[in-house]
Amino acid sequence: EVQLVESGGGLVQPGRSLRLSCTTSGFTFADYGLTWVRRAPGRGLEWVSFIRSTDYGKTTGYAASVKGRFTISRDDSKSTVYLQMNSLKTEDTALYYCARAKSNLDYHFSYGMDVWGQGTTVTVSS
Amino acid sequence: QSVLTQPPSASGTPGQRVTISCSGSSSNIGENTVNWYQVFPLTAPKLLLYSSDQRPSGVPDRFSGSKSGTSASLAISGLQSEDEGDYYCEAWDDSQSGLVFGGGTKLTVL
Repeated sequence: EVQLVESGGGLVQPGRSLRLSCTTSGFTFADYGLTWVRRAPGRGLEWVSFIRSTDYGKTTGYAASVKGRFTISRDDSKSTVYLQMNSLKTEDTALYYCARAKSNLDYHFSYGMDVWGQGTTVTVSS
Repeated sequence: QSVLTQPPSASGTPGQRVTISCSGSSSNIGENTVNWYQVFPLTAPKLLLYSSDQRPSGVPDRFSGSKSGTSASLAISGLQSEDEGDYYCEAWDDSQSGLVFGGGTKLTVL
């Protein structure tokens, strides 16, 4: 069974850092792109970041709202993707989901994300 | 404001057909396919349609999708009470070099 499990969320003060992890199982991790998507309280889904598969050079992308503050990375030996979040703002408060690209040949994530974790909650507050 | 525009709400009675629209631009829907997600409270999003009109395994054929120009739509026929939830469209955006979501549509089954 394909599974994604997020961890690392919590309560943090504005300006501080947090690192989220998404541990996966049940598929060949290195072959797939992964994304982070968040949902702030009372708001809709917002794409945060992606990292492509090893075949695509593990290239990354970020939403404008987090660019320069967040860094996505992956450790194929641990089947885990990370989201390092620095200089956190109150508006980063959200439930953060990790999701897998449906196709292992999908450069633009055109086939969507077919497996999602249950999410980890990040609360940025003083 | 979301890059993709969806109506905030939609409704229908059991058995009816409901459509949800998703409007974008030439940099996203105009050049790329659209994916749809179904979200229920306290659960992770579920991929409902991909590549504009393809259903993943296990998704009933009551759900269908289409795309024309810079707009896409999700249709749900034979509406059921368990369809009540939030629906989001999503696409790759060439100008942003990333993914964009619609603001979501809350579907109510009356």
